[in-house]
Amino acid sequence: EDQVTQSPEALRLQEGESSSLNCSYTVSGLRGLFWYRQDPGKGPEFLFTLYSAGEEKEKERLKATLTKKESFLHITAPKPEDSATYLCAVQPRGSGNTGKLIFGQGTTLQVKP
Amino acid sequence: NAGVMQNPRHLVRRRGQEARLRCSPMKGHSHVYWYRQLPEEGLKFMVYLQKENIIDESGMPKERFSAEFPKEGPSILRIQQVVRGDSAAYFCASSSESGGGETQYFGPGTRLLVL
Repeated sequence: EDQVTQSPEALRLQEGESSSLNCSYTVSGLRGLFWYRQDPGKGPEFLFTLYSAGEEKEKERLKATLTKKESFLHITAPKPEDSATYLCAVQPRGSGNTGKLIFGQGTTLQVKP
Repeated sequence: NAGVMQNPRHLVRRRGQEARLRCSPMKGHSHVYWYRQLPEEGLKFMVYLQKENIIDESGMPKERFSAEFPKEGPSILRIQQVVRGDSAAYFCASSSESGGGETQYFGPGTRLLVL
């Protein structure tokens, strides 16, 4: 069964304290792995798409990496405005898979000034 | 450059009533997905539609739930005879293509509360 597990569930950092969020997945072939940010009361906001092991993408203080079994979202020198829930999702490959995303439970990040 | 639009943003219904949730995809997108986020749970896929066609409804509850995406107008998620367990945030997403790793862009969601 296709599955996505994110850890930790919650993370508290001091401003400037770098860390990483983990997304482990088991899937019958991977079309893409997606990272989203979700603020309270809002919809998920797209951050990155990764397609193959070894791929990396960066945006401001965020960097996403991908291996065959997991992805990391690295946050460098975070600021309070980076506080949010970060969601990881996979799009499985294979017959019958029509593009639906399978989400992890998310990691809620709090950055204190 | 409007993104995905959903309305209403908040909806309150009493048990047994019907709920209708609307979603207008991003301009140029013809693929629509509905997801549900129950309290303290992750986002779960419900249904995938293209214009006038339901492509994948494997995540839809068998009863009371239906979805459509007519030739003209928004996609509609309908929940008949709502129960308290239907209280959740319902998100719509759209993409330009499907199944090839295309990014899905999400709307702000409709928060349904069943009294």
